[in-house]
Amino acid sequence: GQQLNQSPQSMFIQEGEDVSMNCTSSSIFNTWLWYKQDPGEGPVLLIALYKAGELTSNGRLTAQFGITRKDSFLNISASIPSDVGIYFCAGRLIGGNQFYFGTGTSLTVIP
Amino acid sequence: EPEVTQTPSHQVTQMGQEVILRCVPISNHLYFYWYRQILGQKVEFLVSFYNNEISEKSEIFDDQFSVERPDGSNFTLKIRSTKLEDSAMYFCASSQTTVVETQYFGPGTRLLVL
Repeated sequence: GQQLNQSPQSMFIQEGEDVSMNCTSSSIFNTWLWYKQDPGEGPVLLIALYKAGELTSNGRLTAQFGITRKDSFLNISASIPSDVGIYFCAGRLIGGNQFYFGTGTSLTVIP
Repeated sequence: EPEVTQTPSHQVTQMGQEVILRCVPISNHLYFYWYRQILGQKVEFLVSFYNNEISEKSEIFDDQFSVERPDGSNFTLKIRSTKLEDSAMYFCASSQTTVVETQYFGPGTRLLVL
């Protein structure tokens, strides 16, 4: 299957700090998604991206679809304790239907 | 807000036994999915289902797995003869269309095979 690498693997930050994480692949994707997963729960969609270069915001979250179509990043501004969780990227190949998930970034926010 | 539900929340079974994981998708959704997440690892696509048939499946979804929509509300995943490596969290998801932003995940069933 496709390998989507996320970095960093984990982050420990102070409340109020900004966060940046990214997702890279060796393949070209036509859709990128970012999900957040809380412990014991299913992933919840945060942002969906459909065009190379697209920059989309959802509250304090901003995500961009890389120009090469092989990467995407997610920024969280002014982090709060409830931002704690695991963030997954997911991508869909051109012509495909299934989504491949990244390895995840675990975020811990210290009050 | 409508939600996807899954039962049981936890299941422990012996290797070689059959298990059926149940999901109730959101009522007006037409597309259904199963995903697997081994502890500490990424979410992996298993299968998608539409119009009473499998529309896509991954290499993980071998002959040991099957899906069914036995009635108008349930969507099930059956593992015929469980193996130790089937231990994972299994998520059901549903969407109204194939546009992914409408895909909602259930809370998952944690399966432990001993």
